[in-house]
Amino acid sequence: DVKVTQSSRYLVKRTGEKVFLECVQDMDHENMFWYRQDPGLGLRLIYFSYDVKMKEKGDIPEGYSVSREKKERFSLILESASTNQTSMYLCASSTGTGSNEQFFGPGTRLTVL
Amino acid sequence: AQKITQTQPGMFVQEKEAVTLDCTYDTSDPSYGLFWYKQPSSGEMIFLIYQGSYDQQNATEGRYSLNFQKARKSANLVISASQLGDSAMYFCAMRETSFFFSGGYNKLIFGAGTRLAVHP
Repeated sequence: DVKVTQSSRYLVKRTGEKVFLECVQDMDHENMFWYRQDPGLGLRLIYFSYDVKMKEKGDIPEGYSVSREKKERFSLILESASTNQTSMYLCASSTGTGSNEQFFGPGTRLTVL
Repeated sequence: AQKITQTQPGMFVQEKEAVTLDCTYDTSDPSYGLFWYKQPSSGEMIFLIYQGSYDQQNATEGRYSLNFQKARKSANLVISASQLGDSAMYFCAMRETSFFFSGGYNKLIFGAGTRLAVHP
């Protein structure tokens, strides 16, 4: 069964802390994505990666960075967390062929105090 | 720019009745794909159905069907015989393709979502 896992379901951090959100997929997918989800705004793409060590900015990259050192792992980094980064963060992966359906992880609800 | 619009923030339906969730899209690309995802209160995103822009027939998956009207740029989700477990957020999404010198990649653009409540 296909699987995307995220390191935490719930996370509470303080303003200014460096935050790491980890995502791992076991499907050998080329593409991986990080979204944030806020009420009324749907899912907004932060960053994505179409290959190891490759990354592209999404629609809202400010305040975030990413790392993809291995094909199965895609990390989202908040260099200095702020309260406006309190949100649900969703990781997804997809192949580079076919419909490109994205498979999602369970999400991490991050609260920055 | 490509865009997905879901105009219904919330919908109510009686159990066992059918319901249509609206989705319109805007793109100038001739090749694109449209997806519907379900998000229950647990938070996971569940893929429901896919329609390619060149598909001649409307996609169906069990109780889900996609009413694809290309000229109107709409891709409405129809759920037949609603069940209590269908209560969730539903997102429409469109695949956007970008090309670079050695290949290309795809990403999804999501609508704001529609919250469906099924009443007994």
